[in-house]
Amino acid sequence: DQQVKQNSPSLSVQEGRISILNCDYTNSMFDYFLWYKKYPAEGPTFLISISSIKDKNEDGRFTVFLNKSAKHLSLHIVPSQPGDSAVYFCAASAGGSGTYKYIFGTGTRLKVLA
Amino acid sequence: EAQVTQNPRYLITVTGKKLTVTCSQNMNHEYMSWYRQDPGLGLRQIYYSMNVEVTDKGDVPEGYKVSRKEKRNFPLILESPSPNQTSLYFCASSLPTGLGGNEQFFGPGTRLTVL
Repeated sequence: DQQVKQNSPSLSVQEGRISILNCDYTNSMFDYFLWYKKYPAEGPTFLISISSIKDKNEDGRFTVFLNKSAKHLSLHIVPSQPGDSAVYFCAASAGGSGTYKYIFGTGTRLKVLA
Repeated sequence: EAQVTQNPRYLITVTGKKLTVTCSQNMNHEYMSWYRQDPGLGLRQIYYSMNVEVTDKGDVPEGYKVSRKEKRNFPLILESPSPNQTSLYFCASSLPTGLGGNEQFFGPGTRLTVL
């Protein structure tokens, strides 16, 4: 049972346009969500996070939106740049319930076309 | 430089031959974790450790062991590797996880092939 789902394996976007990456989850105990970016032959790197008490968090070109009622979060990248081409993973944790596991989605490969 | 290091980076071994993948971090992080990445399955947590001598199972702990005798080191042990443990492994560390979570810093990965 996949608790964190990224239903789009890949996404192509023109440089300068908006990239929207989506993530759905099933466990209502999740209280913290994170996005990581991964380039080939490297480990994932942290991008942005959001607590379940918020519905939006912004950091430069990156904004994460959380819709708790729909159990859905999205990552917006504006404007998209060729260097953003990577695999993006969303992750969730339920630290407030006393468990410190992280559940990752399967990833979305973003390609930004110059 | 703040980093998480893993060794070896690449390993080819045979079924049943015990192996250890080392992980070390120099950021004084309490939380450390191991993940495996497989095509179509994303990253799956194997084990994590909240602090020295405190470890717990992630989602896919079968066939793996860990130990946390020192804060900076968190080795992953495969007592009797099998071909289904062929994967890309990542070690990660972070500050303590409170009510929410904290960003994890990942190592460069270890590609393991079990024949």
